[in-house]
Amino acid sequence: DGGITQSPKYLFRKEGQNVTLSCEQNLNHDAMYWYRQDPGQGLRLIYYSQIVNDFQKGDIAEGYSVSREKKESFPLTVTSAQKNPTAFYLCASSPGPWGTEAFFGQGTRLTVV
Amino acid sequence: QKEVEQNSGPLSVPEGAIASLNCTYSDRGSQSFFWYRQYSGKSPELIMSIYSNGDKEDGRFTAQLNKASQYVSLLIRDSQPSDSATYLCAVNPDTVGGSQGNLIFGKGTKLSVKP
Repeated sequence: DGGITQSPKYLFRKEGQNVTLSCEQNLNHDAMYWYRQDPGQGLRLIYYSQIVNDFQKGDIAEGYSVSREKKESFPLTVTSAQKNPTAFYLCASSPGPWGTEAFFGQGTRLTVV
Repeated sequence: QKEVEQNSGPLSVPEGAIASLNCTYSDRGSQSFFWYRQYSGKSPELIMSIYSNGDKEDGRFTAQLNKASQYVSLLIRDSQPSDSATYLCAVNPDTVGGSQGNLIFGKGTKLSVKP
C-alpha cells in the first residue's frame, strides 16, 4: 500500500527539547518536502530535498534541521532554537522536482508546553 | 517574492449550487497548477492539476487556467455538504533556468456548503 507515512500523529514536548518528526515514503519519489501550517498562514516551506544526500532551505528553515540519507526517508528535527514550534507539520513527496504534483502525509501536530 | 493569492472566505453556497474558487499568481512563467482540498485537522489532498490554458474536467470538478491573466479557478458543480473544506491553490513557479521546483501555496479558501 503506497503512500507517505508521518509519525507520530500527535507529539507533545517541553520547551527547550529537540524533537524529531519522521517521514517515510514508498512511492519511489525523488523529491521530499517539509511544510509548516499555522492557522491563517497557509503552508510554509521549511526544507526540501530533490535527491539523496542533498537538501535546501525553504522560507522558514531557522530552528530546523533535516537529513536525507535514504530516498524514502526525510526526518525533520525541531530544535530548541525554533522560537514558536507549536504547529501542524506536513511532509510531502513528488515524483520529480519540476512541475509535478506533491502528495502529503497525514501530518504531525506538535505542541510544545 | 513569488505569491499565490486566494480569497480566504468563507464562501458559503447552498447544496446543489456551483461553487467557484479563484486564485491568482505572480510568477508569469509558472507552468503547473494544482488544487488541494483540506478538511479541518487533516492534510491536503490533491484533487486537480492543470498545465495548459483552458478547462479540465474531472467529475464534478472543473479547473480553469488563464496564463495571460495569471488566473486559475476551480468550479465544483452540484456542491455537497461533504465538499465543505478549505481549498488550497498551489503553483509550481517558473521551471526554466534553475527554479527551485517546489510548490507555492495560497492560504486557502474555506468553503461551506449548506444543506
